[in-house]
This record gives sequence, structure tokens and C-alpha cells, in this order.
Amino acid sequence: SQKIEQNSEALNIQEGKTATLTCNYTNYSPAYLQWYRQDPGRGPVFLLLIRENEKEKRKERLKVTFDTTLKQSLFHITASQPADSATYLCASPGRSGNTGKLIFGQGTTLQVKP
Amino acid sequence: DVKVTQSSRYLVKRTGEKVFLECVQDMDHENMFWYRQDPGLGLRLIYFSYDVKMKEKGDIPEGYSVSREKKERFSLILESASTNQTSMYLCASSSNPGTPAGSYNEQFFGPGTRLTVL
Repeated sequence: SQKIEQNSEALNIQEGKTATLTCNYTNYSPAYLQWYRQDPGRGPVFLLLIRENEKEKRKERLKVTFDTTLKQSLFHITASQPADSATYLCASPGRSGNTGKLIFGQGTTLQVKP
Repeated sequence: DVKVTQSSRYLVKRTGEKVFLECVQDMDHENMFWYRQDPGLGLRLIYFSYDVKMKEKGDIPEGYSVSREKKERFSLILESASTNQTSMYLCASSSNPGTPAGSYNEQFFGPGTRLTVL
């Protein structure tokens, strides 16, 4: 079955370093991938979308890549700050295409230490 | 500022009670969703509605029903609450993909309702 997976282990890094989070998908080929940020006790908030024909997308300190050969997206936060600490979710449309529904990964929690 | 609101942040109910969770969006979105989120399991889709009075089962619809009588409002109903329905419930909305507003297909989420069933 179609699956989207993120590293469930928390990622701990030092302030100022680059955080890299991974999203892998199996058994389908999504037309795009999305990344969301979720703070404790709150709903996810959309950050970025990258389409299958785009290798890389940037927004301020965020960078997302999409490798259709590896079936993987990487999410980078450069010059990370303690305020970047949150859970980051990867999402994509399923095999049924662009119906509006999304499949979400479990999320990776990032902790940036001062 | 776009907004999705949910009727309660925290709710405590007893086993067997009927529970209503309400969600309202002010963005004129066609699509609305109910998810539950549990540690280690991520976001799981319970029900999806793509228009007024239209609904589609998600991955885990058992024990739940929904109602969408108006475009802005999507209700989740637990007919007879059970302890395994203790969870965080999240509502979301989005525009139809293929429309200018839906080009990113981003979903806008409410703050969530933490439901505890005793």
C-alpha cells in the first residue's frame, strides 16, 4: 500500500546548525510533496510545496528537495534557532491523484538547543 | 486572516455518550476533513467532505459519522464514545485542487480538540 514515512526519532541539534529531515514514500509516485510545521497542542501549518519536476525549493531559511529516483524529500532548516523546535510533517496526494486528500507522515520532532 | 475553528479545545466524556465535535471555516473552502492524531501513528483521515451534504470515508471511519449541512461547517459525531476514541481530533479545510486558490492544495487546520473518553 502507498506509504509516506518520516524518521520517528527526534532530531536534536545545536543552534546555528542546519537541520535535515527526511521523508520517504513507497508504492506510488506523488505529483508533489508538502511540508507542515506543528507546534505542541496546535494544528499543523503549511510551509512549502515542491512538485515532482522541481529539484529544489527555497523559502527564507527553508530548503526542500525532491528526488524521484530515491523516492525521497529532504527538508533543511539553515542557521536553526530554538524557535524552530517543532514537529515537521511531510504530506502528499495519494495514488488516487489530486482529489484534495493528503497522506501524512508521522512527523519528525526537531529540538534546537541554544 | 483565514481561520478554522473547533468548538472545544478539551473535552471529557463517558463511555457510551454521544459526542459532537464542530468545525467552522471562514475561507469558503469546498473541502473539509476530520483527522485523529495519536502518538506514533500520525494523522489519520476519518472522513472527508468535498461539498455540502457530500462525504467520503477516510481510513478509519468506524465508530464515527459526519454531517455537512452548510459549506462552512463540518461536524464529527461519535455515536457511542469508547475509550479507544481518546485522541486529538483535528479539522482541516482546503480549496479544490485545480482552482487558483487550490493550486497548492494546502490544508488549513484548526487548533484541535483533545478528547478523553473515560
